[in-house]
Amino acid sequence: GQSLEQPSEVTAVEGAIVQINCTYQTSGFYGLSWYQQHDGGAPTFLSYNALDGLEETGRFSSFLSRSDSYGYLLLQELQMKDSASYFCAVRGRGANNLFFGTGTRLTVIP
Amino acid sequence: DTEVTQTPKHLVMGMTNKKSLKCEQHMGHRAMYWYKQKAKKPPELMFVYSYEKLSINESVPSRFSPECPNSSLLNLHLHALQPEDSALYLCASSPQGIDYGYTFGSGTRLTVV
Repeated sequence: GQSLEQPSEVTAVEGAIVQINCTYQTSGFYGLSWYQQHDGGAPTFLSYNALDGLEETGRFSSFLSRSDSYGYLLLQELQMKDSASYFCAVRGRGANNLFFGTGTRLTVIP
Repeated sequence: DTEVTQTPKHLVMGMTNKKSLKCEQHMGHRAMYWYKQKAKKPPELMFVYSYEKLSINESVPSRFSPECPNSSLLNLHLHALQPEDSALYLCASSPQGIDYGYTFGSGTRLTVV
C-alpha cells in the first residue's frame, strides 16, 4: 500500500519562505506530485518530480530524494493567498490511481 | 476548455432519496475519477474510469453507483445514503496513464439528513 506523511499545520509570515515536507512509503514509485487546495475549492496541480532534484515553477519549487523517500514543496515570497492546504501525492496500485498524503494546512500571517 | 465542471455544487438529500452527481470535461482526457473528501482530510479515491470503462473501484459501498455515458461525462448515482456519507465529492480527469496533473472540479458538497 501507500503511506504519505506530512506535517498537519505550518504557519509562516508574509514574504517569507516555507518548506512543506512529505515522506512516503509505496510499493512502486513513479513520481511525487503536489496539489494546493483552498477552503471549499478544487485541488489544483502545482508540480511533479519523477527524478531526484529540484523543480522550479515561479515562486514554488519541489524537491525529491528517492533514496530517502522524501520530498518537499518550497514556497517563496509568501503571499496571503497562499494560505491553503497542500497535499503530496503518489501513484497507487496501477496507473490512473493518485493517492494523497495527509495534507498540510499552511497559514500565512501578516 | 481546461475545466472540470461539477453539478450541483450543493446537495441535501434524505436517506431514502435517489440523486445523481454530474461531472463534465472537454479536455479530451480519457481517465476520469471520483474522489470523496471529508473535512480536513485528503481526497480518497472511489472510482476510476479509463476509456469509459470502470477500471478501479476502491471497495465503495453499492449505494454509490458510477456511470460514464461518454468520454466527457461522469455520473455518480446515490441511493440510500447514510449521514456518514456527507462529504465533498470531487471529480477529476487526466490523460490516460498519467499520474500527475489531474484537473479537479470544485466538487459537490453533499449533506445526508
